[in-house]
Amino acid sequence: NAGVTQTPKFQVLKTGQSMTLQCAQDMNHNSMYWYRQDPGMGLRLIYYSASEGTTDKGEVPNGYNVSRLNKREFSLRLESAAPSQTSVYFCASSVSQVSGETQYFGPGTRLLVL
Amino acid sequence: ILNVEQSPQSLHVQEGDSTNFTCSFPSSNFYALHWYRWETAKSPEALFVMTLNGDEKKKGRISATLNTKEGYSYLYIKGSQPEDSATYLCAFHSGGGADGLTFGKGTHLIIQP
Repeated sequence: NAGVTQTPKFQVLKTGQSMTLQCAQDMNHNSMYWYRQDPGMGLRLIYYSASEGTTDKGEVPNGYNVSRLNKREFSLRLESAAPSQTSVYFCASSVSQVSGETQYFGPGTRLLVL
Repeated sequence: ILNVEQSPQSLHVQEGDSTNFTCSFPSSNFYALHWYRWETAKSPEALFVMTLNGDEKKKGRISATLNTKEGYSYLYIKGSQPEDSATYLCAFHSGGGADGLTFGKGTHLIIQP
């Protein structure tokens, strides 16, 4: 049982380049989330998908787009990367968005934008 | 933006000693408080989800309490071991707004042999 998987593990981009971070879960969870983690900051929510077919903005959505491709997969796209988007990105999933449901995290993607 | 504060930011504890640290969160519109353990180079792992005022949860040597009226939770570790070294995150889940979790910055715990 793989849980939550993320690809790639590490990526270097030049300013202005685009890329998509992939996330998949095999736990049949309805809700999925993207967070970023920066030094001295807590994990901050970028976007979330409460269920297949829905997406909503979190605390820091600017510069990102997301796609809930199906129940398993939730991708995060940077259309024109900026140095401020250098971060570690975590995908998470939960049975539902109901409070009290544990979120399960992927291993993270380290992104460096030069 | 919800404010979730954790203190202290970092903590050095001698092996065998017990320790505790705090998570403060808004006392209004409370739904749940999560604790996660995050080891370096790994992903956060859930410890507890607490929903009721006065809740006490325990997993081995680690326990947590919750006071929703005053907006704080304590995490306790009894008889610290080197493998307890990690960053401990709390996360607040309110009933409104974005339905992801609002995380504190964590308490970085180092257990010294």
